[in-house]
Amino acid sequence: AQSVTQLGSHVSVSEGALVLLRCNYSSSVPPYLFWYVQYPNQGLQLLLKYTTGATLVKGINGFEAEFKKSETSFHLTKPSAHMSDAAEYFCAMRTGGGNKLTFGTGTQLKVEL
Amino acid sequence: NAGVTQTPKFQVLKTGQSMTLQCAQDMNHNSMYWYRQDPGMGLRLIYYSASEGTTDKGEVPNGYNVSRLNKREFSLRLESAAPSQTSVYFCASSADRGTNSPLHFGNGTRLTVT
Repeated sequence: AQSVTQLGSHVSVSEGALVLLRCNYSSSVPPYLFWYVQYPNQGLQLLLKYTTGATLVKGINGFEAEFKKSETSFHLTKPSAHMSDAAEYFCAMRTGGGNKLTFGTGTQLKVEL
Repeated sequence: NAGVTQTPKFQVLKTGQSMTLQCAQDMNHNSMYWYRQDPGMGLRLIYYSASEGTTDKGEVPNGYNVSRLNKREFSLRLESAAPSQTSVYFCASSADRGTNSPLHFGNGTRLTVT
């Protein structure tokens, strides 16, 4: 079965520290992978998407994600956290010709001074 | 550009009441979706529409109906609301299916059923 697992429902970092949000997927076919961010009382916004062939994907706001097929992972990173990065982050996967976008359960990122 | 517009933003219903959530997109997208978001469960697909005139069930369709009125509009109807349908509902659209076309989301409708 296709699934997306986000490790850690809550992550807390200090301002200026590295942000690492983990996402692992399970799929029998090559997946399309996405990271979305959700600020309070808003919809989801696309941060970045995986394009076949590129292992390191750059997104908006300084975020990037690395696709590792051997580890079935698509972790999201940012070298230096900013207060404005505090939000909920969702990893999502679409497989093959299907319409369904499967979401992880989300990781709430808190940035502390 | 408006993108994906959802109405209403907030709604309170009593058990057994009905209502329709409206969604419209102005990006000429083919596919539209309805998701619900519940704490700790991420987003779950209720129904989707790959093109005008077609609709398909998602992961949690029970208690809901949808209508793809035209290419722009995709409505979600609760015929007899239940407390378990208290949630935040998101409409989304995408240019095509089966690709890495991202979904574009509205700002959500917060529904409470008492």
